[in-house]
Amino acid sequence: DVKVTQSSRYLVKRTGEKVFLECVQDMDHENMFWYRQDPGLGLRLIYFSYDVKMKEKGDIPEGYSVSREKKERFSLILESASTNQTSMYLCASSLSAPSGRNEQYFGPGTRLTVT
Amino acid sequence: AQTVTQSQPEMSVQEAETVTLSCTYDTSESNYYLFWYKQPPSRQMILVIRQEAYKQQNATENRFSVNFQKAAKSFSLKISDSQLGDTAMYFCAFMKHGTGNQFYFGTGTSLTVIP
Repeated sequence: DVKVTQSSRYLVKRTGEKVFLECVQDMDHENMFWYRQDPGLGLRLIYFSYDVKMKEKGDIPEGYSVSREKKERFSLILESASTNQTSMYLCASSLSAPSGRNEQYFGPGTRLTVT
Repeated sequence: AQTVTQSQPEMSVQEAETVTLSCTYDTSESNYYLFWYKQPPSRQMILVIRQEAYKQQNATENRFSVNFQKAAKSFSLKISDSQLGDTAMYFCAFMKHGTGNQFYFGTGTSLTVIP
């Protein structure tokens, strides 16, 4: 089974702190994604990566950056956390095959609270 | 850009009954994939069912089936013999064929199965 793990289930940080969210997948997937999930807004894509050291902006990249130094690891960085970044953050990964078997596999999520 | 609309924020169903969750999407692509994901309370998001747009036959997975109407750009999920474990948020997602595998998610439907 594909396993996607995230470094923390719950995280509380102060305004202005630098925050690192880590995601690791164990199935050699090319693609990795970071979403934030807010009630009534569904999942919104922050950044994704289709290869090591490659990154693409999603729909809401402002205030975030990412790093992918190894294929299995994709980090989301909040350079200076703000209260409006309080949210659930979901990581996902998928194969890069152009077929219907390339569904995304999700991690358990990190609920981040910025105070 | 692709958009996915789930017009039912909340639904409920009696145990053992059947319920249908609606999803519509907007795209100019001819080749794409559609997915339903389930997110139980405080648990990981998992894939329920997928549909390839070029396949006319509706996908089924045990008690879960879809009604895919390509011309109408509609992709509803039917859950038969509802069980308490079906209580969850359900997200409809669209992915166009090709590299990157970027998903577009709806805002979700919260389903409660009533004993």
